[in-house]
Amino acid sequence: VELLESGGGLVAPGESLRLSCGASGFTFNNYGMNWVRQAPGMGLEWVSGLSGGGGNTYYADSVKGRFSVSRDNSKNILYLEMNNLRAEDTAVYYCVKGVRSGSERSPYNWLDPWGQGTLVTVSS
Amino acid sequence: DIQMTQSPSSLSASVGDRVIITCRASQSIRNYLNWYQHKPGKAPKVLIYAASTLQSGVPSRFSGSGSGTDFTLTISGLQPEDFATYYCQQSYSGLLYTFGQGTKLEIK
Repeated sequence: VELLESGGGLVAPGESLRLSCGASGFTFNNYGMNWVRQAPGMGLEWVSGLSGGGGNTYYADSVKGRFSVSRDNSKNILYLEMNNLRAEDTAVYYCVKGVRSGSERSPYNWLDPWGQGTLVTVSS
Repeated sequence: DIQMTQSPSSLSASVGDRVIITCRASQSIRNYLNWYQHKPGKAPKVLIYAASTLQSGVPSRFSGSGSGTDFTLTISGLQPEDFATYYCQQSYSGLLYTFGQGTKLEIK
């Protein structure tokens, strides 16, 4: 399994950026995918996720209304569209595969594996 | 929202020591609790899922326990490669994950 993020860079506050994550080594559309970030000197923060088919999306309160997650299952790519960026969005963004196990009604979910991350810097 | 609180925030220990890291949830999460290890410049990796199930390939010196609101990660016989930051994460809220703030394990 390999996850390769791209699209990070330096942007000014209020601008937009789109991250991509190319996936290989597994049946992409069978798995939920996620974005997790780590701001400088801070801990891990789950940002967003979506189901294998892309029909269900989830967001942290800190990005709701500004970020949009999507996927192209024909190309095995996960996206994160980030709008109205703020200085506090500065972080390394990781693309992460979701794992699901156990009963269909109450499955266990965890994140594995993780990509190497792409750095987003929001600064004027 | 479910909040996760780890203690301590940092910890100094020596090779060979037994270390315990605690994670507390703001409400019962049954055993929907995962532990991750993160080293600088590397991708985080899962160590334990469902509170106590060791991920394949993870050394048996790592163990997890707990249910409800209180959980522990124990490392028995610290190795040099274990010095890292450790995070708990709840998955009780389905795919709306929450991480603890992390515990940095340093060499004494």
